Amino acid sequence: GQQVMQIPQYQHVQEGEDFTTYCNSSTTLSNIQWYKQRPGGHPVFLIQLVKSGEVKKQKRLTFQFGEAKKNSSLHITATQTTDVGTYFCAGPNSGYALNFGKGTSLLVTP
Amino acid sequence: GAGVSQSPSNKVTEKGKDVELRCDPISGHTALYWYRQSLGQGLEFLIYFQGNSAPDKSGLPSDRFSAERTGGSVSTLTIQRTQQEDSAVYLCASSFLTPLKGRAYEQYFGPGTRLTVT
Repeated sequence: GQQVMQIPQYQHVQEGEDFTTYCNSSTTLSNIQWYKQRPGGHPVFLIQLVKSGEVKKQKRLTFQFGEAKKNSSLHITATQTTDVGTYFCAGPNSGYALNFGKGTSLLVTP
Repeated sequence: GAGVSQSPSNKVTEKGKDVELRCDPISGHTALYWYRQSLGQGLEFLIYFQGNSAPDKSGLPSDRFSAERTGGSVSTLTIQRTQQEDSAVYLCASSFLTPLKGRAYEQYFGPGTRLTVT
C-alpha cells in the first residue's frame, strides 16, 4: 500500500539556524498536507499543497510539492524556540483518510 | 466556535477490560476520523465516518475494536478485552469537507485520549 516516509527523524538546531524536513511517497498524491504537533499536544493543520511544483509560504515556513507529486518539503528559516515540535506530512490513502509520515521532531536550543 | 473534544483525556484500565472513548466533532463537520498514535510514532488510521455510516473501517486492528456514530455527531470507539499493545493516544479528527476516495481534506484534531492498559 501507499507509504509516506519522512527524513530526518530528529533534528536539533541552534536558534536562528534553518531547518528542512523531507517527505516521500511511494505513489503519486492528489495532494499533500503538513501538520505540526507541539510536545504534549495534538496535530494542527498547517497547509495543503495540490499542484505539481507548488510552493507556498507562511512567514518563515516554505512548503514545496514536487513536480511528480511524490515528494514534498518544509523549510523553516531562522528557527525560533516556538518552532519546537514534530512536523508530519500526510497524503491521502486509497480510501478517505490520510497516511501520515512518522514525523520529524525539531528541537531548537536558544 | 468549539474545537473537537474528546473524553476522557486519560484512561487507565486493566488488561481484559472494555473501554469506551468519546469524540465530539466540530459542529457541522460530517466527516469524522479515528487515529491512534503510539509513543514516538506517526498516526495510524483506524476508521472513517461519513455521517453515521463508516465506509472505511480498514484500519481497525482487530475485531476487538468497534466504533459508532450517532446523530451525525458524537462518536464512540470501543475496545473490548483490552491488551497491553492497545496502549496509545487515540485521536479523533473531523473535517468540514466530504472527502473523495484518494482525496482527503484538512482535518481538525481533538486533544486525544491517552489509554494505558496495565
